[in-house]
Amino acid sequence: QKEVEQNSGPLSVPEGAIASLNCTYSDRVSQSFFWYRQYSGKSPELIMSIYSNGDKEDGRFTAQLNKASQYVSLLIRDSQPSDSATYLCAVNSISSGSARQLTFGSGTQLTVLP
Amino acid sequence: DVKVTQSSRYLVKRTGEKVFLECVQDMDHENMFWYRQDPGLGLRLIYFSYDVKMKEKGDIPEGYSVSREKKERFSLILESASTNQTSMYLCASSLEVGNQPQHFGDGTRLSIL
Repeated sequence: QKEVEQNSGPLSVPEGAIASLNCTYSDRVSQSFFWYRQYSGKSPELIMSIYSNGDKEDGRFTAQLNKASQYVSLLIRDSQPSDSATYLCAVNSISSGSARQLTFGSGTQLTVLP
Repeated sequence: DVKVTQSSRYLVKRTGEKVFLECVQDMDHENMFWYRQDPGLGLRLIYFSYDVKMKEKGDIPEGYSVSREKKERFSLILESASTNQTSMYLCASSLEVGNQPQHFGDGTRLSIL
């Protein structure tokens, strides 16, 4: 059973701080990793993709991947109240029968306090 | 940008009705997915399709069926709606290769009375 684990939160950070969201996964052959942002009552929106070890930066967002330790994280710099949302980690594996599927974590609820 | 369009944002139906949820994508994606999302349970895969007329069961297919007659359209069917199928339903699509992200529609909030 492939699993993706996230702390459900809620995680609260003050405006302007760095928010750190973490995700661990169980399937060692996982190849692709995604972060989605979901506002309350809305659908998930892709914000970051990462495929190789290390850091990937996009604006205020940085995704970090460590395949040896099987974790992926998302850092949000200069957090804004508009970043308040649930963040979903999703992992893809090339294992037979699941190459097209993503396994989603349950999400971490982030609140940025003004 | 990828556009995944779900036919209704809100839908109210009665117990026992046959319910159709429609999803259309405009990016020629091979893969399409139907999820439901409930508080505390996260996203759960109902069915997915990797080609026209092809379908695979997800984690919770009971009480649902799907249809994919054209590549751009993937329909979810509730054969006989029940109150425990009240949920947010999300459609997604992705390119054929396995390392591509899924792109979601706006969702349909379905209430079964």
